[in-house]
Amino acid sequence: DGGITQSPKYLFRKEGQNVTLSCEQNLNHDAMYWYRQDPGQGLRLIYYSQIVNDFQKGDIAEGYSVSREKKESFPLTVTSAQKNPTAFYLCASISLGSNQPQHFGDGTRLSIL
Amino acid sequence: EDKVVQSPLSLVVHEGDTVTLNCSYEVTNFRSLLWYKQEKKAPTFLFMLTSSGIEKKSGRLSSILDKKELFSILNITATQTGDSAIYLCAAPFWETSGSRLTFGEGTQLTVNP
Repeated sequence: DGGITQSPKYLFRKEGQNVTLSCEQNLNHDAMYWYRQDPGQGLRLIYYSQIVNDFQKGDIAEGYSVSREKKESFPLTVTSAQKNPTAFYLCASISLGSNQPQHFGDGTRLSIL
Repeated sequence: EDKVVQSPLSLVVHEGDTVTLNCSYEVTNFRSLLWYKQEKKAPTFLFMLTSSGIEKKSGRLSSILDKKELFSILNITATQTGDSAIYLCAAPFWETSGSRLTFGEGTQLTVNP
């Protein structure tokens, strides 16, 4: 089945630690996105990538980094510079030029220890 | 700056009630508006609206777009406890760096038995 896989589902971070969230898609989609969601709120864009080896900052990129070495994969690193990382992180993808909505993964819930 | 605004932010109703959720937008080169339902995990797609005045319907849910007044509504009739969720409205827009979705803050709907 085609889809987006995010892992892990739950992640705990110690103070001063970098952690990496995985996002893999087998939909052959061109563009991939990372969103952050705080309790009871909408989604805010962190980073996005339209093609391999290129990515753009979204609205809240500070304290995060990404890479896009393969079309299928778009990992997000939450660095120690992100002082309030506790949130729900969602990855999405879409085929550029299509009139289809974004597909979402099931998310990763990150908490601070 | 492109933006999407939803109201109300929170709504509590009893089973059987009818609810109307609102979404207004200001988006450059508007093409479409999307509605998603989010329970515990990934948002699930409900509707994509591109034309004014044409209602889209799926069971007890329906939605319509007004491109002149720049808003959309999502109606849910005969609500059930399973309708409890965050309802998200989003509009895609295009930057020089690519396309992205702007989300509203969401409406948290609680349906009590």
